[in-house]
Amino acid sequence: GQNIDQPTEMTATEGAIVQINCTYQTSGFNGLFWYQQHAGEAPTFLSYNVLDGLEEKGRFSSFLSRSKGYSYLLLKELQMKDSASYLCAVQDSNYQLIWGAGTKLIIKP
Amino acid sequence: DTGVSQNPRHKITKRGQNVTFRCDPISEHNRLYWYRQTLGQGPEFLTYFQNEAQLEKSRLLSDRFSAERPKGSFSTLEIQRTEQGDSAMYLCASSLVRDSLYEQYFGPGTRLTVT
Repeated sequence: GQNIDQPTEMTATEGAIVQINCTYQTSGFNGLFWYQQHAGEAPTFLSYNVLDGLEEKGRFSSFLSRSKGYSYLLLKELQMKDSASYLCAVQDSNYQLIWGAGTKLIIKP
Repeated sequence: DTGVSQNPRHKITKRGQNVTFRCDPISEHNRLYWYRQTLGQGPEFLTYFQNEAQLEKSRLLSDRFSAERPKGSFSTLEIQRTEQGDSAMYLCASSLVRDSLYEQYFGPGTRLTVT
């Protein structure tokens, strides 16, 4: 079957660094996406990885290891506005997205 | 282009009624997706179109759900004989097929409440 696992909830302090992990088992792999979703709003694109390694984009970085079926999203210099859910999604062999349930990130001052 | 739009933003209906939602994708995008999302869960894929062709509909939740994209532009999702369990956020997304990156852009969603 197809499965995407990520922690349900994480808490971090403003200004700190947090790493959100995602493990996956899917039928085929054509890249992994991270999306951010604020409460009551639609998901917005953060990053895309298709090759192993780290992709850096400002305060956000995303890492992929295809052999381990593993990715993480790293958020640096946390701000209160980063409080949101972070969704991991894998693009399968049919180029459809298989979604995790999301990780709710709570930022404390 | 201002992005993906969905109408209505909110819909309250009584059990047993039919509802229809509309999605207008980003104009140059050829793929259009429908998802359902409940609280604390990721989006649940329902169906998608490439241009006007519906390429996957086996994951529509039941035969009460149907979707159309008649001219390859906007799309509608209809739910017949609504049930309380249909209460959820219905999200539409669109993408442009290029290389291997099919980044999906989401609309604001339609929140359905069935009473």
